[in-house]
Amino acid sequence: DAGVIQSPRHEVTEMGQEVTLRCKPISGHNSLFWYRQTMMRGLELLIYFNNNVPIDDSGMPEDRFSAKMPNASFSTLKIQPSEPRDSAVYFCASSLRARGNTEAFFGQGTRLTVV
Amino acid sequence: AQTVTQSQPEMSVQEAETVTLSCTYDTSENNYYLFWYKQPPSRQMILVIRQEAYKQQNATENRFSVNFQKAAKSFSLKISDSQLGDTAMYFCAFMKHVPNTGNQFYFGTGTSLTVIP
Repeated sequence: DAGVIQSPRHEVTEMGQEVTLRCKPISGHNSLFWYRQTMMRGLELLIYFNNNVPIDDSGMPEDRFSAKMPNASFSTLKIQPSEPRDSAVYFCASSLRARGNTEAFFGQGTRLTVV
Repeated sequence: AQTVTQSQPEMSVQEAETVTLSCTYDTSENNYYLFWYKQPPSRQMILVIRQEAYKQQNATENRFSVNFQKAAKSFSLKISDSQLGDTAMYFCAFMKHVPNTGNQFYFGTGTSLTVIP
């Protein structure tokens, strides 16, 4: 398996533009997480899905952020309109929903810069 | 709610020496899992070591070992014979399994470790 795949790796956009980040979880995993990493706040959980259903979106900063998971192999995180303070590294991670010894597997992250 | 605290934002160690990174957590759960992740400059999050709360024996992976104190809710990481490649941000993480909603992860704020040649 190629692991969790995120695209793009880097994104530079102008303030006010719409940004869409993409994630393909590991096949067979049924929990998917979106995190945001900044120097000031560290690693913040934005939202997580289980079996494609959003379970906890309390970490989503505001209505400009939205996330979808239309099927088990794809998720998007959208920011509209984007602002400079949204600049961060966004990680997607997936996990197998089961008891036992399982960790979260992370993608390479998307570095977003809003200018 | 679960919280994970890493009280050391930055640490440094001489190459070949031993260093310990601290982590404490707060939970009312009895069954859970703890992890240490490493994030090198490449920014990839890499699992270093895991510990099941129901196991009393401390986990060990080569030069990495943990000191798990369940009653104290402490989970420190010891790196022996530090190598330059150990330079990275280290995150402590707590995971609990919630029936019907999956695994929930909580991360600390990280400790930036620099190995000095």
